[in-house]
Amino acid sequence: AQSVTQLGSHVSVSEGALVLLRCNYSSSVPPYLFWYVQYPNQGLQLLLKYTTGATLVKGINGFEAEFKKSETSFHLTKPSAHMSDAAEYFCAVSGAAGNKLTFGGGTRVLVKP
Amino acid sequence: NAGVMQNPRHLVRRRGQEARLRCSPMKGHSHVYWYRQLPEEGLKFMVYLQKENIIDESGMPKERFSAEFPKEGPSILRIQQVVRGDSAAYFCASSTGLAGAYNEQFFGPGTRLTVL
Repeated sequence: AQSVTQLGSHVSVSEGALVLLRCNYSSSVPPYLFWYVQYPNQGLQLLLKYTTGATLVKGINGFEAEFKKSETSFHLTKPSAHMSDAAEYFCAVSGAAGNKLTFGGGTRVLVKP
Repeated sequence: NAGVMQNPRHLVRRRGQEARLRCSPMKGHSHVYWYRQLPEEGLKFMVYLQKENIIDESGMPKERFSAEFPKEGPSILRIQQVVRGDSAAYFCASSTGLAGAYNEQFFGPGTRLTVL
């Protein structure tokens, strides 16, 4: 069984400030981890993923995330927020044995000018 | 290469009617997944299909919901006798289904179902 917890359903950041979105997971098998972004009334776009190998993963739009097995975390960061980063972000986990994704509840990011 | 297509994008039904949601996977993809997003919630897995075969339906409600992915044509998610609680966004994703590797899922734009 797998689960994902995203701390904070809403995050407000100033333009140019650090964006930090927290994600903790639980998985009975080695996890594959993902961050997706959803803009209003649109589908999900993959930001980045961790499957194997390097634990620091770089994605699109300047985002990166680090897989920390000891902390069961996969937090998402971006050094400098841009207005276009305002969206909802979902962390997800999948087991190696199957492909269904288990999502967290999402974090809505508001970027203030 | 077109992405995952879903139609209709918006669907309004009255209680008791049937809803049919269609998903055309990306070219070359033979696996389809359906997820439901209730208002203010994350996505929840419903069903995972290969052509002519249901692989995992552990997330499907026991009644009124069914899914198929025929040899030809799109995948269909069917909801019979809809109720207000079925109002949600339904997302389809597709993947190649290649053995021995993680298969990335590509998501469609979703169908937003409103039950009056």
